[in-house]
Amino acid sequence: NAGVMQNPRHLVRRRGQEARLRCSPMKGHSHVYWYRQLPEEGLKFMVYLQKENIIDESGMPKERFSAEFPKEGPSILRIQQVVRGDSAAYFCASSLLAGAGNEQFFGPGTRLTVL
Amino acid sequence: AQSVTQPDIHITVSEGASLELRCNYSYGATPYLFWYVQSPGQGLQLLLKYFSGDTLVQGIKGFEAEFKRSQSSFNLRKPSVHWSDAAEYFCAVGNTGNQFYFGTGTSLTVIP
Repeated sequence: NAGVMQNPRHLVRRRGQEARLRCSPMKGHSHVYWYRQLPEEGLKFMVYLQKENIIDESGMPKERFSAEFPKEGPSILRIQQVVRGDSAAYFCASSLLAGAGNEQFFGPGTRLTVL
Repeated sequence: AQSVTQPDIHITVSEGASLELRCNYSYGATPYLFWYVQSPGQGLQLLLKYFSGDTLVQGIKGFEAEFKRSQSSFNLRKPSVHWSDAAEYFCAVGNTGNQFYFGTGTSLTVIP
C-alpha cells in the first residue's frame, strides 16, 4: 500500500512563474491537508480538502494560492506569480477519517525554490 | 488559540544516553497530541499520539511520551538514544476540527 505521494520532489521557478504541486493521498483516504514549512520553522497549516470540496482554507494566503482536490486525480496546490518568499517545503497529508483524532499521514514534500 | 512550543531548538546527546524533548501546548479543551520525526529530506513519520486514557504513551522506535495536564506538557523520552535517532522532532496538537498545530521543532544530534 503506497503512502502519500508528492511530485515533484524539487521544483525551481523564477519569480512570476506558476508552481503546481501534486499530492496523491493514501489509497482509500479522501481527506487531504496541505502544510508549508519555511526554513527553520515548523509546519503551518494551509488548507484542508475533501473530494471536490475545500473544507478549511484558513491558512491559505489570500492571493496567488489555490488548491483543489478533484473527483479524479491528485490534489493540486497552485501558486501563481511566485515570489522569493514562497520558497519552502510544501507537505501534503491525508487521513482516512475527518477530525483531529485521526492520524494524518505525510508525504515526502515538495521543495520549492524561487530564483 | 492553539499553539505548541518546543523550547529547545537543538539538542546534542551521546549515543546510549537518555533523551527528553520538551513540548508545551496551549489549548482550551482536551488536546489531541502527537510527536512526529522528520529525517533530512523526508516527510514526517508519526512516533506516537495521545487522545485520552493512560497519560504515558508508548510509540515506535522505543519512544514514549507523558501527558501532564497540570503542566500543559507532552514531553518525548527515550531511555537510550541510537545514532539513527538523529533527526528533527515535531510536537503537534490537533483541534476539534482538522488542523494540526506544529511546534518549530527540535533538532537532535547524536554523537558517538
